[in-house]
Amino acid sequence: DAKTTQPTSMDCAEGRAANLPCNHSTISGNEYVYWYRQIHSQGPQYIIHGLKNNETNEMASLIITEDRKSSTLILPHATLRDTAVYYCIVRVELGTYKYIFGTGTRLKVLA
Amino acid sequence: DVKVTQSSRYLVKRTGEKVFLECVQDMDHENMFWYRQDPGLGLRLIYFSYDVKMKEKGDIPEGYSVSREKKERFSLILESASTNQTSMYLCASTSPGTSGSHEQYFGPGTRLTVT
Repeated sequence: DAKTTQPTSMDCAEGRAANLPCNHSTISGNEYVYWYRQIHSQGPQYIIHGLKNNETNEMASLIITEDRKSSTLILPHATLRDTAVYYCIVRVELGTYKYIFGTGTRLKVLA
Repeated sequence: DVKVTQSSRYLVKRTGEKVFLECVQDMDHENMFWYRQDPGLGLRLIYFSYDVKMKEKGDIPEGYSVSREKKERFSLILESASTNQTSMYLCASTSPGTSGSHEQYFGPGTRLTVT
C-alpha cells in the first residue's frame, strides 16, 4: 500500500499561510490524495482531495506535484481554530476503497 | 448533514471481558470502517465493510471481529479484551460509486480503557 510521510509538527503565525507537506512517493496512478484534520477529542474531518490537478475549496488548497510523489496542503490565512493534527491520506481502490493514514502533522497556530 | 454516532464516548472494561462497540450512520452509506488511534501511530484500520454481512480485514484485525447485520450499523467486537487494546476507536462511513468525493465521515470516537 502507498504510504505517506509528514513532518511531526509545525508552527504557523496567525493570519499567515500554513503550508503542510506530504510525501507519497509510492502512490499509484489511480490513487487519490486526501487531507483530513483532527481537532482534539473529535473525529477527523475532511478537508480536500485530489488526483493530479491542484484543487481549492473554501477551506484550503491542495497542490500536487506533477510526478504525484508529494503534495502540499495550504491554509491561506491560518487562525487559532486551525490548530489541529492534519493527516495526509492515500485512498487505495481494492474493489472498494481503503484509506491509508499517515501519522499526521500537529499544526500549532500562534497568536 | 451526515451523522455517524458511536455508542459510548468513554468505556472501561476488565481484561477478558467481551466488548461491543457500536457505530450507526444515517446516510445510507455502503462502506463502513473501524480504526484505532494510538499516540505516535496515527489511525490504523482494523476492519471495514462494503455491504451488509460483508467484511474485510484491515491492517490490524487480530483480537477483533465485526458484525454488519444492517446497513446503518457496524459493530466492533473484542472477544476477550486485553490491556493492549486500550485505545481510541473511531468509526467512519463513506459512499462508494464512481463520482463524488467519497469522503469519510467519522464518529466522535470511543476511548476504551481495559484494566
